[in-house]
Amino acid sequence: DTEVTQTPKHLVMGMTNKKSLKCEQHMGHRAMYWYKQKAKKPPELMFVYSYEKLSINESVPSRFSPECPNSSLLNLHLHALQPEDSALYLCASSQELTVRTPFEQFFGPGTRLTVL
Amino acid sequence: GQNIDQPTEMTATEGAIVQINCTYQTSGFNGLFWYQQHAGEAPTFLSYNVLDGLEEKGRFSSFLSRSKGYSYLLLKELQMKDSASYLCAPFAGGGNKLTFGTGTQLKVEL
Repeated sequence: DTEVTQTPKHLVMGMTNKKSLKCEQHMGHRAMYWYKQKAKKPPELMFVYSYEKLSINESVPSRFSPECPNSSLLNLHLHALQPEDSALYLCASSQELTVRTPFEQFFGPGTRLTVL
Repeated sequence: GQNIDQPTEMTATEGAIVQINCTYQTSGFNGLFWYQQHAGEAPTFLSYNVLDGLEEKGRFSSFLSRSKGYSYLLLKELQMKDSASYLCAPFAGGGNKLTFGTGTQLKVEL
């Protein structure tokens, strides 16, 4: 199984709503990532988890709250979002995090989020 | 910091060869990835280079010159399905941290 799955595929929410995005992988990967991608732009890294601990937070606003309940699951909790947060949210995983040896990141299909 | 430059758009003919260039200025550079992304889909891994030289994977090859801060992706025997965005992503420092370039939108025509 070389797949990263994400739910939901599409999400529409109001600025006062609370919602969560979910990501799952069963490749035994110990590093998981959240990216944000706006239209016609490249993915931008938001968070990185390594062995279920937050390793990198790219100065993301606190209205985005990541959670890694176990080695296969990654959540992104959303609260009080703004319309400019509308984007494709991509989850990825890789074998591990290392200082020098890069590991391929496998991406999920993404959740297309619209904030009204 | 990072400064990544790749052409915005390219057009090529089915069956031809196309080279997509990427230049970068990356602190703590450790290697470079190339990803393909079709519209509305997730990026998929194509290749990566850590050392100088050419890496070949079927119809796709990638080249790296660390001293020049330069890489290219070579696509041979182009097919219509190769029409996509190609993202150059230097890898720097710890944390498997990729920073993607703006991508090159390749259009393959008959």
